[in-house]
Amino acid sequence: DAKTTQPTSMDCAEGRAANLPCNHSTISGNEYVYWYRQIHSQGPQYIIHGLKNNETNEMASLIITEDRKSSTLILPHATLRDTAVYYCIAAGFSGSRLTFGEGTQLTVNP
Amino acid sequence: DTGVSQDPRHKITKRGQNVTFRCDPISEHNRLYWYRQTLGQGPEFLTYFQNEAQLEKSRLLSDRFSAERPKGSFSTLEIQRTEQGDSAMYLCASSLARDITEAFFGQGTRLTVV
Repeated sequence: DAKTTQPTSMDCAEGRAANLPCNHSTISGNEYVYWYRQIHSQGPQYIIHGLKNNETNEMASLIITEDRKSSTLILPHATLRDTAVYYCIAAGFSGSRLTFGEGTQLTVNP
Repeated sequence: DTGVSQDPRHKITKRGQNVTFRCDPISEHNRLYWYRQTLGQGPEFLTYFQNEAQLEKSRLLSDRFSAERPKGSFSTLEIQRTEQGDSAMYLCASSLARDITEAFFGQGTRLTVV
């Protein structure tokens, strides 16, 4: 799996958009970008994934650059409950391991 | 079915003792994964099963660790002769055997070796 690089921590004001960047410059053509988050004392939770196109679901939007070397997870209206560690993962088809890095600690402030 | 469940949630054991953890995946999921997570780090892959077959094991899974998934349903992870370095959160996840799918994680078992 390609290595990903994320900032260690970020802050966001409640109600504002949270934009979490991820670099994956060595991603291969068949690797997807997955985002998971982990709220304190819970297991990781799937958020979204994408290959080339931008993706949106009820939780977030994923913007992938045209060269696929980086992506941004967008939480459009962050709430206090979005405070968590966010992991960006580049991985092939399901069944292969998910390789978690250290992620980004997002703190949403009131 | 409310998700992946793990038992126990917490375990304190003395060094040298054996411990066993159980994971019940989401019922229709045929893939099951074990991860280990230490404080401040992301989860590290240990092993995964497709049905009852153990298809991949990490080098982290020393010979003191063994995992089983009899009949392709629940899974157990046993650690023999525990060491203080085994103290961690042990996470189980399950998914469907499809090309692209999400993995659902349990709440984990927190192991403390004293």
